[in-house]
Amino acid sequence: DTEVTQTPKHLVMGMTNKKSLKCEQHMGHRAMYWYKQKAKKPPELMFVYSYEKLSINESVPSRFSPECPNSSLLNLHLHALQPEDSALYLCASSQESVGGYTGELFFGEGSRLTVL
Amino acid sequence: QKEVEQNSGPLSVPEGAIASLNCTYSDRGSQSFFWYRQYSGKSPELIMSIYSNGDKEDGRFTAQLNKASQYVSLLIRDSQPSDSATYLCAVNDLSGSARQLTFGSGTQLTVLP
Repeated sequence: DTEVTQTPKHLVMGMTNKKSLKCEQHMGHRAMYWYKQKAKKPPELMFVYSYEKLSINESVPSRFSPECPNSSLLNLHLHALQPEDSALYLCASSQESVGGYTGELFFGEGSRLTVL
Repeated sequence: QKEVEQNSGPLSVPEGAIASLNCTYSDRGSQSFFWYRQYSGKSPELIMSIYSNGDKEDGRFTAQLNKASQYVSLLIRDSQPSDSATYLCAVNDLSGSARQLTFGSGTQLTVLP
């Protein structure tokens, strides 16, 4: 059983829709991430939350809006997406070390998004 | 710009053989190295971390790091069909910043029964 849970697993939306992806972890990790992954490509970092505060935004378009309601939850709000935004969206969490973030990420199963 | 390079494959090995996956990186400041396994249609799963030069063994998996040559590898002994997946190499630098965790493009491994 994965300790990082993402819902929904699949999402189909039109370009005018508003939807949200949800992520929950119960490992006590204080860093949480959103990654985007296209087919046959490595994951691309989108956002990082550290202690519930947004610490990294990799110049992601504003049609993606992250939210961290508490230390266990991470949301990604989607609005006015484009077909090219279709991808696998991965939530991950990790511990923070003295030197910063570790590269030891625990990924959820992902939400496969299709934008029509 | 930091680069992490892997042969995309596909790499095919017979069942029971040793699979050798290689990764090179461009940034000499890199300090931590990771191997993730990703089954088709699934999410990445961390299988090995290595921080010091030399070998690190975990079951059938051995990670090898040579910082002087900027080279990290993953050996899978007694390969099984269930090892068929894409293996992603990831590298981080001393800053420990999440922004600096760089993934390679992955090597697709097929273990033939």
